[in-house]
Amino acid sequence: EVQLQQSGAELVKPGASVKLSCKTSGYTFSNYYMSWLKQMPGQNIEWIGNIYGGNGGTGYNQKFKGKATLTVDKSSSTAYMDLSSLTSEDSAVYFCATGPTLAYWGQGTLVTVSS
Amino acid sequence: DIQMTQSPSVLSASVGDRVTLNCKASQNINKYLNWYQQKLGEAPKLLIYNTNNLQTGIPSRFSGSGSGTDYTLTISSLQPEDVATYFCFQHNSWPFTFGSGTKLEIK
Repeated sequence: EVQLQQSGAELVKPGASVKLSCKTSGYTFSNYYMSWLKQMPGQNIEWIGNIYGGNGGTGYNQKFKGKATLTVDKSSSTAYMDLSSLTSEDSAVYFCATGPTLAYWGQGTLVTVSS
Repeated sequence: DIQMTQSPSVLSASVGDRVTLNCKASQNINKYLNWYQQKLGEAPKLLIYNTNNLQTGIPSRFSGSGSGTDYTLTISSLQPEDVATYFCFQHNSWPFTFGSGTKLEIK
């Protein structure tokens, strides 16, 4: 069974950075892309970018370049997303999801940016 | 960026009704169109991929169709558990983009 387990909720101060994780099981991590997505409360879902589990190759939505950095650790089948220079506009739920079809999703991580 | 426009934004229907949700792309997306169901407080769930392929484990009352810029999701017989927001998603061109959703309610 494919499972994506995301890290817990984060409360961070404006200007700080945060690193979110997405630990996977039930499939061959290195054979698939992992996408990251942002959903603000009651709003649309935005595609941030994706990363290939095999070689760490990335593709980003231009809107999130400089904001999000995607990495992987093949040894632990875990994907990571660093979010930098956080503002209130970054307060949202962030999801990881597998492949181009976004077939399987993590449960989401709530990031709250507040002083 | 490709804009995805969903209609209606809210749909109210009765149990057993056939319902159709629409998604229009601002340009041809070559059938790279997926549909997701999101219930309150949950992650989205893939229903249909590449226009008309039913994801494993999804009830057969869900179906998709379309081509070019126009796509539809049909629920053949609405069930109470189908109350959710439905999003379309194009993965033809970067950046991939979602529609703003159709909220489906039971009358």
